[in-house]
Amino acid sequence: RKEVEQDPGPFNVPEGATVAFNCTYSNSASQSFFWYRQDCRKEPKLLMSVYSSGNEDGRFTAQLNRASQYISLLIRDSKLSDSATYLCVVSSNQAGTALIFGKGTTLSVSS
Amino acid sequence: DAGVTQSPTHLIKTRGQHVTLRCSPISGHKSVSWYQQVLGQGPQFIFQYYEKEERGRGNFPDRFSARQFPNYSSELNVNALLLGDSALYLCASRETVGGATYEQYFGPGTRLTVT
Repeated sequence: RKEVEQDPGPFNVPEGATVAFNCTYSNSASQSFFWYRQDCRKEPKLLMSVYSSGNEDGRFTAQLNRASQYISLLIRDSKLSDSATYLCVVSSNQAGTALIFGKGTTLSVSS
Repeated sequence: DAGVTQSPTHLIKTRGQHVTLRCSPISGHKSVSWYQQVLGQGPQFIFQYYEKEERGRGNFPDRFSARQFPNYSSELNVNALLLGDSALYLCASRETVGGATYEQYFGPGTRLTVT
C-alpha cells in the first residue's frame, strides 16, 4: 500500500462547480497534514494545513479523519484559476522530519 | 521578504557526471530539506538538514549527499549521474525541526536533465 494515495483524476469541471478530493494515508504516526497546490512546471505551494477539527479558508474546506486515516479537500464555486494539481501531504513521523506526498490530482476548470 | 532561492534553474548533464545544486532558505529558517520530483509523481524526500546536521534521509542511494552551511544554505550533490536522475529538485525551508510548525516552503526548483 502506498503511503499516501489520492484520487487518480483528472477532474474536469465547469466554473462554479464544487469538487472534492480524497486522500488516504498509511502511517498512523503521522501528525501533520497539508494540501499543497502545484501549477504546471512550478514548485508546490502550501494551500492549507489540515486540522482534526476541520478548517476552512474561503472557498476551501479541509477535513481530517484520524480513525480512518482519511483527508479531504472541498473546493466550492470553482474558478478558472483553481486549475492545478493538488497534492495531499502528510508528515513522516511525529517530528515531521519528512513530508510524504501523494501523486497529486489534477483539476481543470473550464468556462 | 525573499522566499527560498535555488540555483541553477536548469541544468543538462551527461551520464556519469557529477552535479551540485544550491539552495538558500527563507531568512530565519534553519531547516532545509531536499526533494526529487520526477514527471507525473509527487515530490520524494531526499534529505533534511538542521543546524548543519543531517536529521533525516529518504530512500536514495549513496550517490546523493548534501550539506548545510553556517548561514543555513545548503548543497545537494549527486555523483555518477544516471538517466533516471532527471527530475525537478526542490529545496524546502522550515523554521525549526520540532514544535508545532511543520509547514515547509518550497523554492522554484532546479530542473536537471541527464542525457
